[in-house]
Amino acid sequence: SQQGEEDPQALSIQEGENATMNCSYKTSINNLQWYRQNSGRGLVHLILIRSNEREKHSGRLRVTLDTSKKSSSLLITASRAADTASYFCATDYSGTYKYIFGTGTRLKVLA
Amino acid sequence: EPEVTQTPSHQVTQMGQEVILRCVPISNHLYFYWYRQILGQKVEFLVSFYNNEISEKSEIFDDQFSVERPDGSNFTLKIRSTKLEDSAMYFCADKREADTQYFGPGTRLTVL
Repeated sequence: SQQGEEDPQALSIQEGENATMNCSYKTSINNLQWYRQNSGRGLVHLILIRSNEREKHSGRLRVTLDTSKKSSSLLITASRAADTASYFCATDYSGTYKYIFGTGTRLKVLA
Repeated sequence: EPEVTQTPSHQVTQMGQEVILRCVPISNHLYFYWYRQILGQKVEFLVSFYNNEISEKSEIFDDQFSVERPDGSNFTLKIRSTKLEDSAMYFCADKREADTQYFGPGTRLTVL
């Protein structure tokens, strides 16, 4: 299976703390993208990291990619209540024309 | 900033009826996708489309489903005879080459 898996499935933290979510995948990828989804809403793109990159930053977001372990992590620093959402990784597998989404991490940031 | 748009935002239909979900991709993007998300579950790939033909489709995308780009701008997903289990959010997405995939806001399909 090429399905991505995120862990933890759910995460509850206090405002101001950091949140780390992980994503694992199965085979070679071209790139990996992280998305945020608020309840019942659309998918908002956060960061794309290519297979030849190891780390990317965007504001309070930091994404790492370890191709040897076939895993990626998303770190949200200094979290805010507005960061409460589900976070998904999506992998663009080499030789395919599709993205496979992980199962998602539900993040709850308590004010 | 250009956005992917989808219509309608919510579609209610009777089982067995045909539905057409519409998407307007970002104008200079070349690759188009449909995904669905059953309530509370993860996003599932349905089909990808490039150069006016299907590039890849999942096992979900059976003969009841079809896609087309009728006028060079709109990108549609048709479900010929809806089933109860087709109830889901349907997302259109697009991208340029090896680039970010942008999603539309989704159409919530409810099959009664």
